[in-house]
Amino acid sequence: AAGVIQSPRHLIKEKRETATLKCYPIPRHDTVYWYQQGPGQDPQFLISFYEKMQSDKGSIPDRFSAQQFSDYHSELNMSSLELGDSALYFCASSLETSGSYNEQFFGPGTRLTVL
Amino acid sequence: AQSVAQPEDQVNVAEGNPLTVKCTYSVSGNPYLFWYVQYPNRGLQFLLKYITGDNLVKGSYGFEAEFNKSQTSFHLKKPSALVSDSALYFCAVRDGGAGTALIFGKGTTLSVSS
Repeated sequence: AAGVIQSPRHLIKEKRETATLKCYPIPRHDTVYWYQQGPGQDPQFLISFYEKMQSDKGSIPDRFSAQQFSDYHSELNMSSLELGDSALYFCASSLETSGSYNEQFFGPGTRLTVL
Repeated sequence: AQSVAQPEDQVNVAEGNPLTVKCTYSVSGNPYLFWYVQYPNRGLQFLLKYITGDNLVKGSYGFEAEFNKSQTSFHLKKPSALVSDSALYFCAVRDGGAGTALIFGKGTTLSVSS
């Protein structure tokens, strides 16, 4: 079965640089979520999109932005990178209908290292 | 605000013995609860969920979870542990409907010895 695809899998950046993470949801899934997981920590929700509109917003820094495109893929743009941004970034997708509480399927993650 | 708590950082069991990973929740409305497993340097894999209905939920890889409303708990269980079950387990609560976040507990590391 098709899974969530994330690219790149690993990314090394310098402080103050920018990074773009991409996410391709499971086919026919209409909702995409972004999470950040620091070392030894639980995943923290950043932002989500339902049918290409921002749905929910968590602890996403103002330096970060995201969008979902017409083909449902999503990109997380990160600017002015800081050392503390080093983490594993997960994308998840789900198929949502009105009144549903469906599970989210996670991608393998992008490991971002900021030097 | 919704939250879940996993009171144990680590659980150790011998292979073949039953295992329990504990989770308690705090929600303002109906609880929508999930269990995920994470292997080292991997994404999270969905195990099971409770939305409504039977209190005993069966999931992947022989796992099940018992929803207990009076104790606000959603413990993960397996009758016979395998060494390959060793991983990091997260309990999570859904914050609302379509497009809303999962709020995770701090995670419990399960170690199964042979």
